[in-house]
Amino acid sequence: QKEVEQNSGPLSVPEGAIASLNCTYSDRGSQSFFWYRQYSGKSPELIMSIYSNGDKEDGRFTAQLNKASQYVSLLIRDSQPSDSATYLCAVKDTNAGKSTFGDGTTLTVKP
Amino acid sequence: GAGVSQSPSNKVTEKGKDVELRCDPISGHTALYWYRQSLGQGLEFLIYFQGNSAPDKSGLPSDRFSAERTGGSVSTLTIQRTQQEDSAVYLCASSLVWRDLEDTQYFGPGTRLTVL
Repeated sequence: QKEVEQNSGPLSVPEGAIASLNCTYSDRGSQSFFWYRQYSGKSPELIMSIYSNGDKEDGRFTAQLNKASQYVSLLIRDSQPSDSATYLCAVKDTNAGKSTFGDGTTLTVKP
Repeated sequence: GAGVSQSPSNKVTEKGKDVELRCDPISGHTALYWYRQSLGQGLEFLIYFQGNSAPDKSGLPSDRFSAERTGGSVSTLTIQRTQQEDSAVYLCASSLVWRDLEDTQYFGPGTRLTVL
């Protein structure tokens, strides 16, 4: 079992729809959770971070964390073609210092 | 200010040769991370530095891989006797405070390594 698992893609949604990306993790000591976006041929860039249970909203993006279920998700509302990318979930144990990344979910938003 | 920079951007080498990959983190960032990403795959953790020390080297694939960081700034990842399976994009990231809950990693553009 991988330490960080993301729902297998690719995920395709029509423009304007809600895209839902999911991530589960195995290490209960994990304290911080991050969503990175990676366009093809580019480096990852941070979209959202979350470390408290519940929802955190930033514009069209909402991150949801449930530590009891070891689950974190990212919702993208009003999806745009420019959101088409691979989304990487990262989980960090701040005591250990390192982050573990999932394999990513590729999202395609069709006009 | 300037972001994370990496050099070279591309490196083609022959099997068995040694290569050095360089990373210049954002000024003032104390933590520095090395990852490897094969085509279509996620990020594979290699090593991270807090200052000049490397608390966790567990991700280095073999003893052919080594890394150092000097002056709390520039880091070099060295791969000795390269093999074809070493071909990948090597990404470097830096962050301000590694123990901070919301510590964000900023990634460099990567070095694409091709071993013939």
